[in-house]
Amino acid sequence: GQNIDQPTEMTATEGAIVQINCTYQTSGFNGLFWYQQHAGEAPTFLSYNVLDGLEEKGRFSSFLSRSKGYSYLLLKELQMKDSASYLCANYQAGTALIFGKGTTLSVSS
Amino acid sequence: DSGVTQTPKHLITATGQRVTLRCSPRSGDLSVYWYQQSLDQGLQFLIQYYNGEERAKGNILERFSAQQFPDLHSELNLSSLELGDSALYFCASSARALGGEKLFFGSGTQLSVL
Repeated sequence: GQNIDQPTEMTATEGAIVQINCTYQTSGFNGLFWYQQHAGEAPTFLSYNVLDGLEEKGRFSSFLSRSKGYSYLLLKELQMKDSASYLCANYQAGTALIFGKGTTLSVSS
Repeated sequence: DSGVTQTPKHLITATGQRVTLRCSPRSGDLSVYWYQQSLDQGLQFLIQYYNGEERAKGNILERFSAQQFPDLHSELNLSSLELGDSALYFCASSARALGGEKLFFGSGTQLSVL
């Protein structure tokens, strides 16, 4: 993706908390998305942040700092089914929703 | 189920050939997007159509073309196929074409070029 950076891989254990970070280019900002993608399946929408702060949705929360070009996805009470890729994305001028390369999260028991 | 339908699910073909991938957006959605996903490149934006017109272009090769028909379904045509075109191709749709709209993805077409 265009200047969207996130770690390639992360590992965690069941019941733990994990934070997946994302940095992006701030010019022309129009909101920050997080998608979840299980191997071989379609990406599915998790969250959208357009204002600074934390948005909580069940076990998942997403945070945004527009001035820092920074977001994170927080996953609590991890379950095995949370093993997936997590994609950070934003709209960039003249194009469409542009995705980072994704963070592959492996949850072990 | 996202409501976005893609066919076929799998496609196996040879180098030099041409294939057509089809996408039907969610009912009421006017905007269709095509993405290519390979292991090393992640999810790459190819092209967007809105209500029949091309709206935005990404990293789409000249060998690839797309269109959106009056009934709003879309087709992605890939020609002179190369081994490197093997990938998962996703279609997504949204209601309009506004920044800030979430996209709904189809289940993808897995293309294998042998």
